[in-house]
Amino acid sequence: KQEVTQIPAALSVPEGENLVLNCSFTDSAIYNLQWFRQDPGKGLTSLLLIQSSQREQTSGRLNASLDKSSGRSTLYIAASQPGDSATYLCAASLPLYIFGTGTRLKVLA
Amino acid sequence: DAGITQSPRHKVTETGTPVTLRCHQTENHRYMYWYRQDPGHGLRLIHYSYGVKDTDKGEVSDGYSVSRSKTEDFLLTLESATSSQTSVYFCAISESMGAGTRGPSTDTQYFGPGTRLTVL
Repeated sequence: KQEVTQIPAALSVPEGENLVLNCSFTDSAIYNLQWFRQDPGKGLTSLLLIQSSQREQTSGRLNASLDKSSGRSTLYIAASQPGDSATYLCAASLPLYIFGTGTRLKVLA
Repeated sequence: DAGITQSPRHKVTETGTPVTLRCHQTENHRYMYWYRQDPGHGLRLIHYSYGVKDTDKGEVSDGYSVSRSKTEDFLLTLESATSSQTSVYFCAISESMGAGTRGPSTDTQYFGPGTRLTVL
């Protein structure tokens, strides 16, 4: 059974810091890996989707990488801002998505 | 933003009563999903649909049924609500599922705003 883990569960950093969020999955036969952002009391917003044949995807200050063989994905956030404070979730597709429990990020001004 | 609405947005009901949640999309996407989100469990799939009248079970389907009579609407029914079904329910849509390397990023899932359900 596919399991998706995100460590750490919570992270607090000063504004301007570059940071990395981690996602690991147990079954490497994934179709895609998707990163989401969730603000308190809101739905999920898709940030990036990496297809199984890709190594990384970039959108603005966000860069997501995928290493299927090691069962890992990372989300890199450059020059973090207080507006980046949210919970970040990853989901691995088999093809149904299995979600991690998220990393709650707080960026301090 | 993808055109996905959920109704109601909040509901309080009593144990044993039936409850129906509605998801409506304006994107004409083939796939629709119902998830529940609980502290410590993340999002878990309840049911999904791959077309009109075509549905299948997810990880936590016991106590739930679904129907999809039109492309744009996907209904989730709790036949007899229990306190364990208190949760936040999210609907999601996607153009495809498992397209992976065979196509563009059409597997991207877009989520609705959620319904907070409390069963007393």
